[in-house]
Amino acid sequence: NAGVMQNPRHLVRRRGQEARLRCSPMKGHSHVYWYRQLPEEGLKFMVYLQKENIIDESGMPKERFSAEFPKEGPSILRIQQVVRGDSAAYFCASSPGRDRANSPLHFGNGTRLTVT
Amino acid sequence: AQSVSQHNHHVILSEAASLELGCNYSYGGTVNLFWYVQYPGQHLQLLLKYFSGDPLVKGIKGFEAEFIKSKFSFNLRKPSVQWSDTAEYFCAVNSRNDYKLSFGAGTTVTVRA
Repeated sequence: NAGVMQNPRHLVRRRGQEARLRCSPMKGHSHVYWYRQLPEEGLKFMVYLQKENIIDESGMPKERFSAEFPKEGPSILRIQQVVRGDSAAYFCASSPGRDRANSPLHFGNGTRLTVT
Repeated sequence: AQSVSQHNHHVILSEAASLELGCNYSYGGTVNLFWYVQYPGQHLQLLLKYFSGDPLVKGIKGFEAEFIKSKFSFNLRKPSVQWSDTAEYFCAVNSRNDYKLSFGAGTTVTVRA
């Protein structure tokens, strides 16, 4: 029973390039959350998606960041024209969706993005 | 907005020592409380959670945490640590009707054999 799968584990991009981070939720989970951890800080909520729907993107930067969770395939977090400040660990979590507030999240290993 | 404060950034212990990690949150309403652990190279795993009931919560691997509502605290404890407890520990909170978790900055625990 595979857990939440994120890839790549490490991603290095030069300033101005695009970064694509992938997340496959646990089997049977239809809700995906993305969190970002900047150095020396806790994880911060970015976006919450269900299949084909963005439910809450209140934590996403207004520009350059987008997320999707298509009907088929993994959820994608896309960062266009990356800057050094985007360097962070990006974690994906999933839940079955029932009783959202009271269901513990299952996290992936994270993707560590380094912008040079 | 909620905030979560973890008191220690890095804790170094010897095996068999007792561990206590502090966590305080700021939120006036009803909350759910969590401790997550991330072992080196692995994903975040749930250690224990508090939703309601007995404020002393038992988790996996011998960990426990106590919710003290008057102090807005949810400290994590383990009476006798092992080398395998070396990891990063995160306290997290969400309000009862909100799915968004607020995390503390994490505490790195290093247990020396």
